[in-house]
Amino acid sequence: GQQVMQIPQYQHVQEGEDFTTYCNSSTTLSNIQWYKQRPGGHPVFLIQLVKSGEVKKQKRLTFQFGEAKKNSSLHITATQTTDVGTYFCAGPTNSGYALNFGKGTSLLVTP
Amino acid sequence: DGGITQSPKYLFRKEGQNVTLSCEQNLNHDAMYWYRQDPGQGLRLIYYSQIVNDFQKGDIAEGYSVSREKKESFPLTVTSAQKNPTAFYLCASTPRANTEAFFGQGTRLTVV
Repeated sequence: GQQVMQIPQYQHVQEGEDFTTYCNSSTTLSNIQWYKQRPGGHPVFLIQLVKSGEVKKQKRLTFQFGEAKKNSSLHITATQTTDVGTYFCAGPTNSGYALNFGKGTSLLVTP
Repeated sequence: DGGITQSPKYLFRKEGQNVTLSCEQNLNHDAMYWYRQDPGQGLRLIYYSQIVNDFQKGDIAEGYSVSREKKESFPLTVTSAQKNPTAFYLCASTPRANTEAFFGQGTRLTVV
């Protein structure tokens, strides 16, 4: 299936530090979605980006979609312990009817 | 209370036995999906269904089977042919393709 690569795999920060996770695709994506999974929980939708160069903000979270629609990033400003979890990006499969998920970035925030 | 219900939350089976995982949604979504999650592997697509009585294989369909007889239900059977069935299984639904996916709480299957 279509590959969606995500880095880093793990990130450990002190509370108050910033955090960024990156997502790259080998092919152009029609859209990209981001999800958050808390430890022991299930993935929860955060946002969908559709337009080339799109930037969206949700409080301390900033999402970007690259100009070529092949990469995306999620940046968290001034992390809090509530940000702990694994962040996944996901792009459409070749059929367009399902999602291919990256392997995720696990964020640990220590107070 | 709308959403997706997966049951049971934890499931133990002996090697060589088939087991069926339940997934029910009352969101009136057309599309439903099954993903498998292993540590450090992200979510891998097993099967998906865009409409009743139709389903498609995902990337890791071998050893699994599904049915979609009703819009609300998309059960997954893990057969004895699945070499490494122990995993966390997630069911999801979307109103249509390329829209927000809603996930169930997951079923953690352990085969001993």
